[in-house]
Amino acid sequence: AQSVTQPDIHITVSEGASLELRCNYSYGATPYLFWYVQSPGQGLQLLLKYFSGDTLVQGIKGFEAEFKRSQSSFNLRKPSVHWSDAAEYFCAVGAWDSSYKLIFGSGTRLLVRP
Amino acid sequence: SAVISQKPSRDICQRGTSLTIQCQVDSQVTMMFWYRQQPGQSLTLIATANQGSEATYESGFVIDKFPISRPNLTFSTLTVSNMSPEDSSIYLCSVDGGGGTDTQYFGPGTRLTVL
Repeated sequence: AQSVTQPDIHITVSEGASLELRCNYSYGATPYLFWYVQSPGQGLQLLLKYFSGDTLVQGIKGFEAEFKRSQSSFNLRKPSVHWSDAAEYFCAVGAWDSSYKLIFGSGTRLLVRP
Repeated sequence: SAVISQKPSRDICQRGTSLTIQCQVDSQVTMMFWYRQQPGQSLTLIATANQGSEATYESGFVIDKFPISRPNLTFSTLTVSNMSPEDSSIYLCSVDGGGGTDTQYFGPGTRLTVL
């Protein structure tokens, strides 16, 4: 069955430090992979997506993610975190079952120290 | 990407009542989706709504509890029926990005509290 694992429930980083959020997926075919961000009281905003091609994808707000098929991973990175990046981050895989749907990980809450 | 709005943004309801949530998109879309996000949890798909056909529900969700309408290509409603405190959640609608991208864009969500 398809699934997404985000092993870190919370991560705290200092402002200006680098960030890496982990995501592992289980899916039989070539996956469609997504990262979304949810700020407090807000809906989900798409940060970036991977369908095929270059395994390093660039997104909005200075985020990037790297698809590693051998590790079934799609980790999100940012070289320098800003206080406004504090939010909940969700990794998702697009899966075809009886219909198409997104399967989400449990999320990682990012806290930013001043 | 499409601009998606939801009404109401939040509501507090009594046990046993029903609430209808509206989702409006600023462009025509083929597929609309409804998700539930329980407190402190991730998102779970409730159903997929295509215009002109019955909604397709995921395992654990039934039409009697979560009836969905999709009268046209820019609008959908989700009703949460006979509510209990366990229905307290954020309900989000999303739409497909079109062009075969399989990307979904989300509305701001409706925060429901059932007393």
